Amino acid sequence: NAGVTQTPKFQVLKTGQSMTLQCAQDMNHEYMSWYRQDPGMGLRLIHYSVGAGITDQGEVPNGYNVSRSTTEDFPLRLLSAAPSQTSVYFCASSGAGTGHSGANVLTFGAGSRLTVL
Amino acid sequence: SQQGEEDPQALSIQEGENATMNCSYKTSINNLQWYRQNSGRGLVHLILIRSNEREKHSGRLRVTLDTSKKSSSLLITASRAADTASYFCATAGTGGFKTIFGAGTRLFVKA
Repeated sequence: NAGVTQTPKFQVLKTGQSMTLQCAQDMNHEYMSWYRQDPGMGLRLIHYSVGAGITDQGEVPNGYNVSRSTTEDFPLRLLSAAPSQTSVYFCASSGAGTGHSGANVLTFGAGSRLTVL
Repeated sequence: SQQGEEDPQALSIQEGENATMNCSYKTSINNLQWYRQNSGRGLVHLILIRSNEREKHSGRLRVTLDTSKKSSSLLITASRAADTASYFCATAGTGGFKTIFGAGTRLFVKA
């Protein structure tokens, strides 16, 4: 059981380039989300999805696009990378809570470290 | 701004001592969770407390929740060097989705 898989683990981009961070989970989780973590700080929510075909904005959505065409995959797209997007990106997923509606425990991927020059 | 804010930002203790971290949040929640992050790695879930619960235990962890004060605390008893990590509180709103994290507390346990 792989859990949450993120690719690539490392990426260097030049300002203005585009790229997609991939996230896949094999736990049949309904909920998936993307966070960024800057040095010495907590995680900030970028976008999230409560199911296939449904996405919504988090705390810091500007500069990022997402889509959810399948339950398993939730890619994060940077259309025109900026140095301010240099960060570590984490994908996380969760299913419905067991024994209590709405109790969602997040399973995280290992992270993708992005540097924008 | 983030939903949860942790206090203190950093904590250094001796092995065997207890460590207490506090978290405050701003809006109504469905549940509050605590996560741990070892340097450079993904986060690992520690414990979840629901909005209708006041206290919860898991091994050496004890979590309290005061919804009237919009605050929570995490107590780690008999700390070990292996507990050295960053600890984050996270709150989930209606439906348990849209989980927002605080800035975290860095715990250093000296052997």
